[in-house]
Amino acid sequence: DSGVTQTPKHLITATGQRVTLRCSPRSGDLSVYWYQQSLDQGLQFLIQYYNGEERAKGNILERFSAQQFPDLHSELNLSSLELGDSALYFCASSVIGTNTYNEQFFGPGTRLTVL
Amino acid sequence: AQSVAQPEDQVNVAEGNPLTVKCTYSVSGNPYLFWYVQYPNRGLQFLLKYITGDNLVKGSYGFEAEFNKSQTSFHLKKPSALVSDSALYFCAVRVLNRDDKIIFGKGTRLHILP
Repeated sequence: DSGVTQTPKHLITATGQRVTLRCSPRSGDLSVYWYQQSLDQGLQFLIQYYNGEERAKGNILERFSAQQFPDLHSELNLSSLELGDSALYFCASSVIGTNTYNEQFFGPGTRLTVL
Repeated sequence: AQSVAQPEDQVNVAEGNPLTVKCTYSVSGNPYLFWYVQYPNRGLQFLLKYITGDNLVKGSYGFEAEFNKSQTSFHLKKPSALVSDSALYFCAVRVLNRDDKIIFGKGTRLHILP
């Protein structure tokens, strides 16, 4: 158990809908990262937050957004969902977000299926 | 641009034999290198990392990796494979700069044959 929790575990929804994925980092970790894992694209970095502020952006679509709250949990919002958004979404956390070589700890993931 | 390459989609090894999973990288500064493992229906788990110092890094579950600066490689190794080592392995690189990110390779699926 990495100490990172993600809810829900599975999510099935329809095209055009909006969903919210939730992540709680390990106790003491200030940095949260979101990744998308699909069969054809591999593991793609989406976005990073550090202590409530956006720190780095990857291949995140404009239909997607995220935020990190004062209690350090994070939410990833996916809107106007398309079939191609079906994937595993992982959250990871690390101690600090920059000038560090600390490893990331991954949650179990949320499997999103868009029908 | 920073990148990580895992040239093999799949590696098959007989149980008890040594295994190697290859990784090469391309960065413009000093690399911080990582290996992660993903078991079915699970998140990624950290195995080991290279920051500086000894080129041979030891990690979890008997794995080790060798950093080779001249060949820009960071291959994952284990002297004797177990069936339970069968999983998806990711190499990753991080370079610290103003917009530092961790870049993952596409993964190598390791099959250990009994």
